[in-house]
Amino acid sequence: QSALTQPASVSGSPGQSITISCTGATSDISGYNYVSWYQQHPGKAPKLMIYDVTNRPSGVSNRFSGSKSGYTASLTISGLQAEDEADYYCTSFTGSSTYVFGTGTKVTVL
Amino acid sequence: EVQLVESGGGLVQPGGSLRLSCAVSGFTFSSYEMNWVRQAPGKGPEWVSYISSSGHTTYYADSVKGRFTISRDNAKKSLFLQMNSLRAEDTALYYCAREFFSGWDYWGQGTLVTVSS
Repeated sequence: QSALTQPASVSGSPGQSITISCTGATSDISGYNYVSWYQQHPGKAPKLMIYDVTNRPSGVSNRFSGSKSGYTASLTISGLQAEDEADYYCTSFTGSSTYVFGTGTKVTVL
Repeated sequence: EVQLVESGGGLVQPGGSLRLSCAVSGFTFSSYEMNWVRQAPGKGPEWVSYISSSGHTTYYADSVKGRFTISRDNAKKSLFLQMNSLRAEDTALYYCAREFFSGWDYWGQGTLVTVSS
């Protein structure tokens, strides 16, 4: 199972909105509504931001939203803040009853 | 408070074995599916293995299938990963994580496994 494809980096100014894409295949993203997104700050464990494509866990800011169209899932961060600067990873359940991670995106707040 | 604490990592020679443990508290362990996720230094995370709440169903990444075995002891609120035939590419920080719908909502701090001669 190949890793899902994400842009290596995305940047934006405080207050702006950015979108991170995550592209897969029929065997993962397009075949299931089981996409999740994680935020990871240096030296910390990943933090769940979105699950089941669009759902936010309790305590996660509503500035974070998820969507999916065909083979591509997306994470949008609105009202960008300095604390949002981190690495972001998508994951998807696959037809092999396994999970695959994305290649990761470094978000920089200018 | 939900807590997951991994242990058992260390330095091992190629071909060697290690058994990782994850002790949990703060939730009903027997009701949750669990996973192991690893992250090599400077790399992104990689899913390793899944186990159902009862322990009867397990899945593995192709990269570890046949070498790693996931198990759990619900009475002791513990998750395990037996790792055999270790390779240099297995060097990583190993996290246990609680499954929440299609994601993992609680993670431990990780235990470092280094495979080197």
